[in-house]
Amino acid sequence: LAKTTQPISMDSYEGQEVNITCSHNNIATNDYITWYQQFPSQGPRFIIQGYKTKVTNEVASLFIPADRKSSTLSLPRVSLSDTAVYYCLVGGPGGRRGFKTIFGAGTRLFVKA
Amino acid sequence: DTEVTQTPKHLVMGMTNKKSLKCEQHMGHRAMYWYKQKAKKPPELMFVYSYEKLSINESVPSRFSPECPNSSLLNLHLHALQPEDSALYLCASSPPLRGRLMNTEAFFGQGTRLTVV
Repeated sequence: LAKTTQPISMDSYEGQEVNITCSHNNIATNDYITWYQQFPSQGPRFIIQGYKTKVTNEVASLFIPADRKSSTLSLPRVSLSDTAVYYCLVGGPGGRRGFKTIFGAGTRLFVKA
Repeated sequence: DTEVTQTPKHLVMGMTNKKSLKCEQHMGHRAMYWYKQKAKKPPELMFVYSYEKLSINESVPSRFSPECPNSSLLNLHLHALQPEDSALYLCASSPPLRGRLMNTEAFFGQGTRLTVV
């Protein structure tokens, strides 16, 4: 599984756009990039997943350059409730063995008023 | 129903006790997972069950014994734990593959906060 590197922490203010970049230099051809959000004492929550270019859903966008060695999670207009840990994961399809989800260290985002 | 339900939410057990953690999902997912998470650390994968068969065991000590009695239930049996096993234990599930092999998102439960005394 490809190792991921993210900033340990980030600060932002309410209403700002936040971009969290994840480095995954050893990503394999069939690997997908997935981001999760986790609040204290809760299970992680899926945010977004992509393979290449750009993916957007109702909560975030994911930008993946052509070489796929990094990815950027973009959170538009953050609020205080977006204060959480954000994990970037890289992994391939698990086939019948299931998806082997290995979490990296994560980025602690702190949103200030 | 789009939830993964874990019981109990909190558990305190002695080092000689035997206890079990339970996880249930009714989303038709055929892959289920156990993770362990220590404070301020990322979740660590312990076990993966695929179609009710153990497919991945990340070198977990035998004092942790998983069981998947059917496609909706996942148990983690605990015996002779150590204080350092105190952690948040998370269960997750992911949907079956569709068409070509695809990576899938995992749905996590709220976890069981385990304290070993």
